[in-house]
Amino acid sequence: GQQVMQIPQYQHVQEGEDFTTYCNSSTTLSNIQWYKQRPGGHPVFLIQLVKSGEVKKQKRLTFQFGEAKKNSSLHITATQTTDVGTYFCAPRGGNKLTFGTGTQLKVEL
Amino acid sequence: KAGVTQTPRYLIKTRGQQVTLSCSPISGHRSVSWYQQTPGQGLQFLFEYFSETQRNKGNFPGRFSGRQFSNSRSEMNVSTLELGDSALYLCASSPGDPRDEKLFFGSGTQLSVL
Repeated sequence: GQQVMQIPQYQHVQEGEDFTTYCNSSTTLSNIQWYKQRPGGHPVFLIQLVKSGEVKKQKRLTFQFGEAKKNSSLHITATQTTDVGTYFCAPRGGNKLTFGTGTQLKVEL
Repeated sequence: KAGVTQTPRYLIKTRGQQVTLSCSPISGHRSVSWYQQTPGQGLQFLFEYFSETQRNKGNFPGRFSGRQFSNSRSEMNVSTLELGDSALYLCASSPGDPRDEKLFFGSGTQLSVL
């Protein structure tokens, strides 16, 4: 079955530093979604990537989908305290949406 | 538009009991998915319902079951509760259209099994 690895598990940065989380799948994906969960909250949809090599930007967030559609990344430029939370990738393989293990981001002033 | 509503917000049960959780999706959404979230295992997919039919199922034992009603509201049932069932249970709705697959999550039901 599909295996999804997300790294790193934790990331502690100083405000203003950049942050990247990576999602790797053992199988080719139909598409991949990204979600953010604030502490004590529920996952909130950020973006969906569908095409091979696709790059999408949302303000300071940059999302990439690998050429082989087996991996993806989320990069945050100049982190702010509002970026705190856990970021999940959610690849779709076949009919199932599977969540990665998540990367917990902490931002220090 | 109202968001996804889950009830109850918190629940405490003892081993061996059963529990039913409820989820009301966003109006017009026909797909409801359930996830179990624990610190150690992350977000684990339980099942998805679409138009009252189970469309997908995760790798959970038969003690976990669900259903969806004609108004798209969904319930999840766990029988013979075990300590390991303690978790946050999240419900998510989506239109069910392959062109719009993003999930909208509810605030979850925090289940504690003693």
